Parts: sequence; C-alpha cells; structure tokens
Amino acid sequence: EDKVVQSPLSLVVHEGDTVTLNCSYEVTNFRSLLWYKQEKKAPTFLFMLTSSGIEKKSGRLSSILDKKELSSILNITATQTGDSAIYLCAVEVGSGGGADGLTFGKGTHLIIQP
Amino acid sequence: DAGVIQSPRHEVTEMGQEVTLRCKPISGHDYLFWYRQTMMRGLELLIYFNNNVPIDDSGMPEDRFSAKMPNASFSTLKIQPSEPRDSAVYFCASSASMRSEAFFGQGTRLTVV
Repeated sequence: EDKVVQSPLSLVVHEGDTVTLNCSYEVTNFRSLLWYKQEKKAPTFLFMLTSSGIEKKSGRLSSILDKKELSSILNITATQTGDSAIYLCAVEVGSGGGADGLTFGKGTHLIIQP
Repeated sequence: DAGVIQSPRHEVTEMGQEVTLRCKPISGHDYLFWYRQTMMRGLELLIYFNNNVPIDDSGMPEDRFSAKMPNASFSTLKIQPSEPRDSAVYFCASSASMRSEAFFGQGTRLTVV
C-alpha cells in the first residue's frame, strides 16, 4: 500500500521564524511529489517536484526532493501570519505510460503567531 | 472560468438516506477527481475519471459509494445508504492532464446523523 507521511503533524512558531516541513513516502512507481496549501477552503497548488536535488522556489517558499531518501522538504522563511494553513504533501504514482492518481499525507498544521 | 463548482456546500442527513454530491469541473479539463477528507485519514482519493471514463476506483470505500460522469461538465458521487462514518468533507478536483495542477472545488461538508 502506498504511504505518504508528513511531519510534524502540527507546528506553532512566531512570525519571522523559518520553518521546515517534512514529507516522506513509500510508493511503487513514483512519478512526482506535490505540495499544497490548504487554508479554510480547498487545497491550492504550491509545487510539483519530479527531479531529485533541484530546488523550486516561489517567494519565501522553497521545496526540494530527495529521491534517494524518499523525502521532500518545504521551507518557509520569514513566516507571516498569512502562512498559517495545513500544508499537504501528495505523491503521484503511475504504471506504464499513465499516472494512477495522488496519495496524500495527513498534512502539517502550521500556525504562525504574531 | 468560475473554477470547480461543487454542490451542496453542506448537507446533514439521517443515516440510511441517499446522498448525492455534484461537481462541475473546469471547462476543458479532461481529468476529474473525487476526494474525501477526514481528521483521521487526511485527504484520500476515491475515484478519478479521464474523458468521462472511470479510470481508478480503488479508493471507493464500499459498494455503497458510486460515481458517475455522464458528460464532460458534470459528475456525481452517490452514497446509498449513508452511514455516520461517511461524515467528511468531499472534494472534487479537475485538471487538464495528469501532469498539470489539479484545481479543487470548495468541498461539500457531509454530516450523517
């Protein structure tokens, strides 16, 4: 059974701190790893990672995939209260020429205190 | 485009009743996904369609759950009969391809009492 595990489950930090969220996976036929941010509504897409060691960056957020360690991290620097959300990691698996869907972790609930 | 539209937003129903959740994907998207989110299990993929055809329904928990996509602009997820353990938020998402970003609807919060 495919598994995606995120840690920590919950994190409370002060505004301005840097946080690192972890995602590890055990899947067959890995294709890509995705990060989503979920606030009160639906998840919104952050990053898709397919290659090991290449950092993707968007503003204060960055993420990198380590296929050898079967893991990924999501970094947020100079956190702001608006970064408070659940951060979801998902792994896309596939066999043959197509993808079979996404398996999500349970998420990390990040709270940024002013 | 208004994005992925789900209805209803909230539903409270009694155990044993039939529940139908509806989804309108973004126009032009070939893939449609149904997810269920609970505190215990997180976000789980139930089923997904490609060009209106169900591709993988291995995530559907039981025979009480069924999903259809009669055309490119509409899909339903039906639970019959519903049980309290079906209480969750059900999300629909669509994407242009399996390699592109999936856009989520606002979700339907289902409570079965």
